[in-house]
Amino acid sequence: NAGVTQTPKFRVLKTGQSMTLLCAQDMNHEYMYWYRQDPGMGLRLIHYSVGEGTTAKGEVPDGYNVSRLKKQNFLLGLESAAPSQTSVYFCASSGTGLNEKLFFGSGTQLSVL
Amino acid sequence: SQKIEQNSEALNIQEGKTATLTCNYTNYSPAYLQWYRQDPGRGPVFLLLIRENEKEKRKERLKVTFDTTLKQSLFHITASQPADSATYLCALDQGGNKLVFGAGTILRVKS
Repeated sequence: NAGVTQTPKFRVLKTGQSMTLLCAQDMNHEYMYWYRQDPGMGLRLIHYSVGEGTTAKGEVPDGYNVSRLKKQNFLLGLESAAPSQTSVYFCASSGTGLNEKLFFGSGTQLSVL
Repeated sequence: SQKIEQNSEALNIQEGKTATLTCNYTNYSPAYLQWYRQDPGRGPVFLLLIRENEKEKRKERLKVTFDTTLKQSLFHITASQPADSATYLCALDQGGNKLVFGAGTILRVKS
């Protein structure tokens, strides 16, 4: 089992460029999440999904869009990247039982110049 | 406002000693709390979960306590080893399987 796989691992963008981060999980999890992690701050939830075809906003959704067309994939898009979006992005998934733990990918380091 | 606080300064301890990490929160009423370990360049890895009606949880050398009156969780690693060096994150339940994370505490265990 690969668990949660994120691609790419690193990316450098210029301000205004767009890109998509891909997350794939092979654990048949219903819930998937996108977090960003910045120095001195906790992981902050961007968007999440409770099942195929559903998405919802988290704590810091502005400037990002997501899609969950297939249960195993959760895509995070930046339509017009800004320097404030320089961060490490983590995807996670979990089951639907009570108190489910999160399984994280290894992260994407994104720099916006 | 809602806040989760973990020691912002790194915790440096000697091998073999017990490490104690603190997680304090305000304006949350979590049904459960989780602890994760994060190594440099890697995603967080789940360690332990404790529910609001549990005072203490143990797993091998790890122990977590949860005091909903004090709004505090303590995370202990006994007989610490250099391999325990990492960042430890606490995370609170927000309902709907969503978690809110603290910024983490860096633990360094010296041999």
